[in-house]
Amino acid sequence: DAGVTQSPTHLIKTRGQHVTLRCSPISGHKSVSWYQQVLGQGPQFIFQYYEKEERGRGNFPDRFSARQFPNYSSELNVNALLLGDSALYLCASSTGLRGSEAFFGQGTRLTVV
Amino acid sequence: AQTVTQSQPEMSVQEAETVTLSCTYDTSESDYYLFWYKQPPSRQMILVIRQEAYKQQNATENRFSVNFQKAAKSFSLKISDSQLGDAAMYFCAYDRDDKIIFGKGTRLHILP
Repeated sequence: DAGVTQSPTHLIKTRGQHVTLRCSPISGHKSVSWYQQVLGQGPQFIFQYYEKEERGRGNFPDRFSARQFPNYSSELNVNALLLGDSALYLCASSTGLRGSEAFFGQGTRLTVV
Repeated sequence: AQTVTQSQPEMSVQEAETVTLSCTYDTSESDYYLFWYKQPPSRQMILVIRQEAYKQQNATENRFSVNFQKAAKSFSLKISDSQLGDAAMYFCAYDRDDKIIFGKGTRLHILP
C-alpha cells in the first residue's frame, strides 16, 4: 500500500512568489493535516481538512491557504513568500476518527531566496 | 493553550543500554492523546507509541514504553536495549482534536 505522498520533494522559490504543495493521503483516509517544520524545531500545525471541509487552522497568516479535493488529496498554497517561510512542510493523513494514528509523508523542503 | 516541553535537546546512550526521554505538557482538558514520534534523517515522522489520557496503564510497544503521570502532566519515553537504528529526533506530541502539538524534540545519539 502506498503511504502518504507529497510533491514536490524539494523546491526553491523567490521572495514574493507563490507556491503550491500537494499531498495524497493513504487510501481510505479522509483527513489531511499540514504542518510547517522550521529547521531545528518541532512541526507546527497549519491546517486540518476532513471530508473537504476545514476543521482546524493554526496560527498562520492569511497568505497560507489550503483545500481538499473530492478524492481527499490536498493542496497547500502560500502567497507572497517570505524568507521565513523556508521550512519542511509535512502532510499527515488519518481516518479522521478521534485519536486515530496520523501517517506522515516525507515532506516538501521549501527554500525561499 | 496547550504546550509541550522537551527539556533535553540532545541525549546519548550506549548501544544495548536504556535511555529515558522527558516530556511535560500543559492542558486544561481531561481527554486527549499523547504520542512519541521518531524522525530519522530521512525526514519521515514515524509514530513510536501512543497513550490515551483516560487509560491509567502505561503504553508499551516492544522496546519502547512510557511513564504517563497525568496529574503531573508528564509523559516520558523509555527505550530499552538501544539499537543503532534508534538514532533520530524524538518528538513528544499532544492531540485532542486532530491538531497535533509537538515539542521541540530531543536528538538521540546511539554510541556503538
